[in-house]
Amino acid sequence: QVQLQESGPGLVKPSQTLSLSCNISGDSINSGRFYWSWLRQSAGGGLEWLGRIYATGSTHYNPSLKTPVTISVGTSQNQFSLRLNSVTAADTAVYYCASESRGLQLFLYWGQGILVTVSS
Amino acid sequence: DIQMTQSPSSLSASVGDRVTINCRASQNIYKYLTWYQQKPGKAPEVLMYDASTLQSRVPSRFSGSGSGTEFTLTISSLQPEDFATYYCQQSYSIPWTFGLGTKVEVK
Repeated sequence: QVQLQESGPGLVKPSQTLSLSCNISGDSINSGRFYWSWLRQSAGGGLEWLGRIYATGSTHYNPSLKTPVTISVGTSQNQFSLRLNSVTAADTAVYYCASESRGLQLFLYWGQGILVTVSS
Repeated sequence: DIQMTQSPSSLSASVGDRVTINCRASQNIYKYLTWYQQKPGKAPEVLMYDASTLQSRVPSRFSGSGSGTEFTLTISSLQPEDFATYYCQQSYSIPWTFGLGTKVEVK
């Protein structure tokens, strides 16, 4: 059973950088079984896929995002990270990390989510 | 991007009712549709993938149908634990996109 856990600040000031980490247990980030994704859910409920990273380091991002996004393998073992630059209030959301099953392309395992508020 | 439109946005139902939720894609996505269930304060969970394949351990009262642009999730006999919000997601082309959800509430 794969388990994911998000961590990071719950409050970020406008124009600053939002940085979150996702710790993986129950699988290796290099196993090749999954893509490792970030999603977010705004207060209105809509789910938005931000992007993903694979074991090879290749990334895919949502081109519709207004805020620049970077997903990378974390500095600690078995982690991956999300960075959003120059955030605005519109980036306030619950952020989830999730494992996307290769082949089926569905989000099989999710973290519990972390609420990030962008406010001065 | 492929737009996913769900209807209704909410519905009220009673235990034992048959419930139908619709999802429409803005272009042909063949069978590449996943349904999720989300309860308050929790992450979404997979119910169905490839439009009609039941995820393991999901009760058989859930069923899915459709292909192309029109899809349906049906709960044959609503149970108390089924009051939740349901989302469809297309997995045909990146960026993956979701419907805005259908909230199933107690009548």
